[in-house]
Amino acid sequence: GENVEQHPSTLSVQEGDSAVIKCTYSDSASNYFPWYKQELGKGPQLIIDIRSNVGEKKDQRIAVTLNKTAKHFSLHITETQPEDSAVYFCAARTTDSWGKFQFGAGTQVVVTP
Amino acid sequence: GAGVSQSPSNKVTEKGKDVELRCDPISGHTALYWYRQSLGQGLEFLIYFQGNSAPDKSGLPSDRFSAERTGGSVSTLTIQRTQQEDSAVYLCASSPRTGAAGTEAFFGQGTRLTVV
Repeated sequence: GENVEQHPSTLSVQEGDSAVIKCTYSDSASNYFPWYKQELGKGPQLIIDIRSNVGEKKDQRIAVTLNKTAKHFSLHITETQPEDSAVYFCAARTTDSWGKFQFGAGTQVVVTP
Repeated sequence: GAGVSQSPSNKVTEKGKDVELRCDPISGHTALYWYRQSLGQGLEFLIYFQGNSAPDKSGLPSDRFSAERTGGSVSTLTIQRTQQEDSAVYLCASSPRTGAAGTEAFFGQGTRLTVV
C-alpha cells in the first residue's frame, strides 16, 4: 500500500520568512495530493491540493510542487505570519483507493514574531 | 453552506461501555470517511462510504468497530466494549463526488473520545 513520509516534524520560522515542508510517497499510482492545516482543537482544513497532471499550483502565499519522477511533493509558505502556526499534514491517494488518503505524520510549524 | 458536523464534540466513557459517534456530512456529498487521530499522531483511515456501494471497511481495527450510513447521508460510528486504546479524536470527512482524479475531502471538527 501507499506510504507517505513527511519532514520535518517540527519547523520554527521567523515571521516573514518562508517555510517548506516535504513529503515523499511510495505508490506511483497516487494521483492526488492534498495539504491540510490543523489548528489546536480543530479538524484538518484543506488549504491546497495538486493533481498528478500538474507540476505546481499556487494560491496567494502558499504553493505546492509535485515531482512525479522522484515521488515527492512540497508545501511552500511565503511571508509567514503568526496565524500560519499549526500542524500541517500532507496526504496521497491512488485511483484504486478513493477513500483511503494516506497521511504523513504531520509538521508542527511555529512562526515567531 | 454548513460544513461537516460531528457530535458529540467530546465523549468520556467507562471502559467496556459502547459509544456512538455521529457525522452529518455536507449536503449533497456522496462520499463519507471516518479517520482516527491519536494524540500527536497522523490520521488513520477507518472506513469509507460511497453512495450505495459496499463500504470499504479495511481500516477498522477490530470487530468492536462498526459504522453505518443511513439514507446516504448521516453516518454513525459505533465502538463496542470500549478499551483505553480507543481514546483518540475521531474525524469524519465528506467529498462531493467520486471517481474523478482528486476529490476534495472536507473534515469535521472531530469527536474526542476518552475511555477511562
